[in-house]
Amino acid sequence: DQQVKQNSPSLSVQEGRISILNCDYTNSMFDYFLWYKKYPAEGPTFLISISSIKDKNEDGRFTVFLNKSAKHLSLHIVPSQPGDSAVYFCAASAKTSYDKVIFGPGTSLSVIP
Amino acid sequence: DAGVIQSPRHEVTEMGQEVTLRCKPISGHDYLFWYRQTMMRGLELLIYFNNNVPIDDSGMPEDRFSAKMPNASFSTLKIQPSEPRDSAVYFCASRSGTGYSGANVLTFGAGSRLTVL
Repeated sequence: DQQVKQNSPSLSVQEGRISILNCDYTNSMFDYFLWYKKYPAEGPTFLISISSIKDKNEDGRFTVFLNKSAKHLSLHIVPSQPGDSAVYFCAASAKTSYDKVIFGPGTSLSVIP
Repeated sequence: DAGVIQSPRHEVTEMGQEVTLRCKPISGHDYLFWYRQTMMRGLELLIYFNNNVPIDDSGMPEDRFSAKMPNASFSTLKIQPSEPRDSAVYFCASRSGTGYSGANVLTFGAGSRLTVL
């Protein structure tokens, strides 16, 4: 059973609009969450992270929101740009799990010019 | 630093053959992870090492899969014998464990695309 879920396999957004990518998790021991971006034929690269002691973290056009009670996080990209077209992976880790990092299945974002 | 280096980038083999994937982590990183990416399951953690010691191999799908890390600068993932369902992209990633390791980001290699016919 997947502990990190991304229920939307794909998402299309117009350039300049907001992209919202969602992620749900089941393991209540997760206390650190990360988003990675992956372009074709490349490995995933780190984008932004959030600790469970926060509910929001912002870095330029990217903001991650965490709702611990709902076990839900989301990544907002504003404004979306064509270069943001990629697969976005949500990931989580727990201090009690010897630093294991568990990834979701990914959401493919297409930003249409 | 050249980043995490994986080889080969592409491998096509026939069912039953042995496959060896290689990884050179970033110098100074004490954690090394092997992941497999498939359309159905996304990025699955197969095994990870800390200071060259395997910590968790619960993600290794079958006994046909094995991984080693003989030293801090080299790791292998071996599949013997290979099967068509092993076709996937295999990623190696490394991380420094300074502080709370979960908060330290993974650096991924470019991946090895395996096709088993």
